[in-house]
Amino acid sequence: DVKVTQSSRYLVKRTGEKVFLECVQDMDHENMFWYRQDPGLGLRLIYFSYDVKMKEKGDIPEGYSVSREKKERFSLILESASTNQTSMYLCASSSGQGIMNTEAFFGQGTRLTVV
Amino acid sequence: DAKTTQPPSMDCAEGRAANLPCNHSTISGNEYVYWYRQIHSQGPQYIIHGLKNNETNEMASLIITEDRKSSTLILPHATLRDTAVYYCIVRVRHNTNAGKSTFGDGTTLTVKP
Repeated sequence: DVKVTQSSRYLVKRTGEKVFLECVQDMDHENMFWYRQDPGLGLRLIYFSYDVKMKEKGDIPEGYSVSREKKERFSLILESASTNQTSMYLCASSSGQGIMNTEAFFGQGTRLTVV
Repeated sequence: DAKTTQPPSMDCAEGRAANLPCNHSTISGNEYVYWYRQIHSQGPQYIIHGLKNNETNEMASLIITEDRKSSTLILPHATLRDTAVYYCIVRVRHNTNAGKSTFGDGTTLTVKP
């Protein structure tokens, strides 16, 4: 089974802190994604990556950056956490091999609270 | 991606079929219908997808109308563990799109004993 693992289920950070959210997948997937999920707003795409050292902005990249140094790991960075970044963060991966491989697999999510 | 419309909530009795509707009247010819679900405090889980023919797998069946403007996800024998938010998504089928879906509010399905 595909496994997408996020390093923490719950995090509490202070305003202004630098926060790292880590995501690792074990299926050699090329594509990785970071979403945030908020009530009434659904899932919104923050950043995604189709390859190592490659990144593209999603719909709401402001206040975030990402790092993809290794194929299996995709990190989301909050340079200076703010209270409006309190949310559930979800990582996903999908295969880039074969044009028809189109299912995305999600991690369990990290619930981040910024105080 | 085409916009979808789903009812906000539905109930279903345990053991009965759960039929979850989705309207996607602006779907394009090359767009597929995907269904995911999200059980409380977990990440979304892929269920099934289809273009125009009905599809079935071990989890569910997908019925797409002939004009492709709506579809129904069917859980044939709902269990309490099927209680979740179900998302209907329409997008072009390509591996570069797999993780770029637009998840709306979905339908909260509550399976009752």
